[in-house]
Amino acid sequence: DGGITQSPKYLFRKEGQNVTLSCEQNLNHDAMYWYRQDPGQGLRLIYYSQIVNDFQKGDIAEGYSVSREKKESFPLTVTSAQKNPTAFYLCASSPEDSIYEQYFGPGTRLTVT
Amino acid sequence: KQEVTQIPAALSVPEGENLVLNCSFTDSAIYNLQWFRQDPGKGLTSLLLIQSSQREQTSGRLNASLDKSSGRSTLYIAASQPGDSATYLCAVRPNTGRRALTFGSGTRLQVQP
Repeated sequence: DGGITQSPKYLFRKEGQNVTLSCEQNLNHDAMYWYRQDPGQGLRLIYYSQIVNDFQKGDIAEGYSVSREKKESFPLTVTSAQKNPTAFYLCASSPEDSIYEQYFGPGTRLTVT
Repeated sequence: KQEVTQIPAALSVPEGENLVLNCSFTDSAIYNLQWFRQDPGKGLTSLLLIQSSQREQTSGRLNASLDKSSGRSTLYIAASQPGDSATYLCAVRPNTGRRALTFGSGTRLQVQP
């Protein structure tokens, strides 16, 4: 089955620790994205990558970092500099051409205490 | 900066009713608009994608319209069912620059049996 996988589904961390969220896709899509969702709100863009070894900051990149060493993988690290890291994190991908849809993974719920 | 607004924020209807969800956006320079469904704690499922040159798209009981010049889209759900209960999100992709989506905050729909 083609799709996007995110792991883990739930993640708990202590304040001050860095944590890395996994996102893998086997759709052969060039572009990948990370969004954050807070309760009752829409999604906000953290980082995106349109090609391997290249990525750009989104609207709320502070306190986050990413890498794109392989086409199928786009891990997100939530650093201790992120002031309010507790949220639902969604990864997405799309083919290079913009006429196509974005496809979303199942999400990771991160709780930091 | 693009802003996307969805009205109403929440809606409760009896089963069988036809309903309309509204989405408005401030910048008409969009490439496409996408409607998504999100179940509690889950990722997003794409429902319909409308290219900027199109006026509407249909899938089963769902019909989405787009009026780009006025910055509006509607999602029409016919003969609603309890299984339609979910949050519905609209998102727009810009004409130029990054291909990431800008989301509204969603309409939470409850269909009463």
